[in-house]
Amino acid sequence: GDSVTQMEGPVTLSEEAFLTINCTYTATGYPSLFWYVQYPGEGLQLLLKATKADDKGSNKGFEATYRKETTSFHLEKGSVQVSDSAVYFCALMEYGNKLVFGAGTILRVKS
Amino acid sequence: EAGVAQSPRYKIIEKRQSVAFWCNPISGHATLYWYQQILGQGPKLLIQFQNNGVVDDSQLPKDRFSAERLKGVDSTLKIQPAKLEDSAVYLCASQDRVINEKLFFGSGTQLSVL
Repeated sequence: GDSVTQMEGPVTLSEEAFLTINCTYTATGYPSLFWYVQYPGEGLQLLLKATKADDKGSNKGFEATYRKETTSFHLEKGSVQVSDSAVYFCALMEYGNKLVFGAGTILRVKS
Repeated sequence: EAGVAQSPRYKIIEKRQSVAFWCNPISGHATLYWYQQILGQGPKLLIQFQNNGVVDDSQLPKDRFSAERLKGVDSTLKIQPAKLEDSAVYLCASQDRVINEKLFFGSGTQLSVL
């Protein structure tokens, strides 16, 4: 079945450092890909998405490119802030509109 | 607009007891989901409703879990009897239209089974 694999955390960075969180997927067709973020004490929120190969999703300085050839959707940000500390989930949506999530990656940003 | 509301926020029960969770989706959202998020794992879909009908409950442990969505609005998820491995956060999400693909999540109910 469909699955998503994320790099394990926690990832600890200093403010203004460059962020990469790796995500790869397995799917039978051509899914849409998502990054969701969960801030402490809050519900999951959609951060960005891409619906087809080579699409780039972006929001709040974060971006990710749908790479069909490597089945990847890595999340990047050029300069992280303390307020970016959260849990980041990579996910895919295919037939039946079910979201399949990765295990999540904890990001901690230190000032 | 108001978000997805869930209650209670926390619940502690002993194994073999029963528990129920409530979800009120965003007004007008036809699709509603219940997810189970075990500590250290990503959310796993339990059940999907379209209006008041079940679309997918293939991963719902039906011997102990049940869910309903009366009148296509609010939904309840029940566990009876609870097991230790049911300790998790139970997330409710709603979706406006299938083509939109964006899900709105509630803050969840954190269940501890002792």
